[in-house]
Amino acid sequence: DAGVIQSPRHEVTEMGQEVTLRCKPISGHNSLFWYRQTMMRGLELLIYFNNNVPIDDSGMPEDRFSAKMPNASFSTLKIQPSEPRDSAVYFCASSLSIAQETQYFGPGTRLLVL
Amino acid sequence: KNEVEQSPQNLTAQEGEFITINCSYSVGISALHWLQQHPGGGIVSLFMLSSGKKKHGRLIATINIQEKHSSLHITASHPRDSAVYICAVRKGQNFVFGPGTRLSVLP
Repeated sequence: DAGVIQSPRHEVTEMGQEVTLRCKPISGHNSLFWYRQTMMRGLELLIYFNNNVPIDDSGMPEDRFSAKMPNASFSTLKIQPSEPRDSAVYFCASSLSIAQETQYFGPGTRLLVL
Repeated sequence: KNEVEQSPQNLTAQEGEFITINCSYSVGISALHWLQQHPGGGIVSLFMLSSGKKKHGRLIATINIQEKHSSLHITASHPRDSAVYICAVRKGQNFVFGPGTRLSVLP
C-alpha cells in the first residue's frame, strides 16, 4: 500500500493567490483528516470527513479555507486568497473509521506564502 | 491552562536509558493518541489508547482515565528514537494536541 499521498510536497506562492492541496487516503479508509502544523500553534485539526461527508469543520480558521471530498479516494484543501500567516505544514491523515482508530499520516505539504 | 499538557518539554538521554514522557489532560476524552514526528517532519501514529496499557516493541503506553494522565515509555533507547512525541486526545468530535516533547538520544 502506498500510504496516504499528498501533493504537492512543497508550495511557494504569493499572498492573494489561490492554493489547492491534495490528498489521496489509503484505499478502504472511510475517514480523512486535514491538519495544520506551525511552530507557534503546533498541530491543529482543521476538518475531517467520514464517508466523504464533512463531520466537523470547527477548526477551519476562516472562510478563506475550504475542503472537499468528492469521492472516497480524493480530498482537497483550498485557501483563497492565501496570506503569509497561512504558511505551515498541512498534513492529511486517514483511518479505517472515525471511531477510535489509528490514523495514518501523509508526508505533509509545506506551504510558504510570501 | 492548556487542555493537554506534556512533560518534559525537552529531554536528552544517553543511548540505552529508560525514558518516560508524560501527558496530562483536563477534559473528558474517548481516546488518546501518541504520535511520533521525525526530524524530517513525517508523523507516525504510535498508539491509540482508551484504557490500560499497550506495548509495541520497545514502546509502552499507559493511560489512567481517573487521573487523566498517560505515559509513553521507551526502553533501551536508541538514537533513532530521537523525535518529537505528541499526545493527542479525542474530545467529542474534535482532537486536541499537546505541545510535544522533543527527545534527543545521544550515542
